[in-house]
Amino acid sequence: KAGVTQTPRYLIKTRGQQVTLSCSPISGHRSVSWYQQTPGQGLQFLFEYFSETQRNKGNFPGRFSGRQFSNSRSEMNVSTLELGDSALYLCASSRQLTGGVNTEAFFGQGTRLTVV
Amino acid sequence: SQQGEEDPQALSIQEGENATMNCSYKTSINNLQWYRQNSGRGLVHLILIRSNEREKHSGRLRVTLDTSKKSSSLLITASRAADTASYFCATREGYSTLTFGKGTMLLVSP
Repeated sequence: KAGVTQTPRYLIKTRGQQVTLSCSPISGHRSVSWYQQTPGQGLQFLFEYFSETQRNKGNFPGRFSGRQFSNSRSEMNVSTLELGDSALYLCASSRQLTGGVNTEAFFGQGTRLTVV
Repeated sequence: SQQGEEDPQALSIQEGENATMNCSYKTSINNLQWYRQNSGRGLVHLILIRSNEREKHSGRLRVTLDTSKKSSSLLITASRAADTASYFCATREGYSTLTFGKGTMLLVSP
């Protein structure tokens, strides 16, 4: 079964621009989470979507947004890019068990965003 | 915010030796998971231990969980150079959100 696919793998953008990253989860997984990874802050939770609804949100400014489509594919958008947004953005998908708890997360290879 | 905190931050050992990494967390959890990340790539799930379990094995991996001390340990036995990576613990507090620690960088030298 295909894993989590993130596109693009690498991206270079200029300050002030906006960017959209895409994530296709494992077939059958309806939960998609996004994380930002930087050397200084480590892995920071951005948000989680389940069945097209944002279920949880991390402590990031409103410039960071996302959405999920009916096929569970998800996109995240960052507007008005800042140098500090340079990071590895990771997407993860999970199954949800009866009772609502998610199983382990399966990660994509990430999108390396560089803001210059 | 970081929930799990791994210790040590970095570990350097020889092939064949065992590697032990520890993780401490702050709140009640549903489960605790360990992940591996090779340089700059995605995370790979290693093992999940539920809050009502105390020990779990998977191949050369052994995980323990002490909920009274809010701590977990990951033991990799007979390490190989291919085990060189960063290892993260992650806790699931509610139904969905995973919170990661800052990780332990493991270097296994041939």
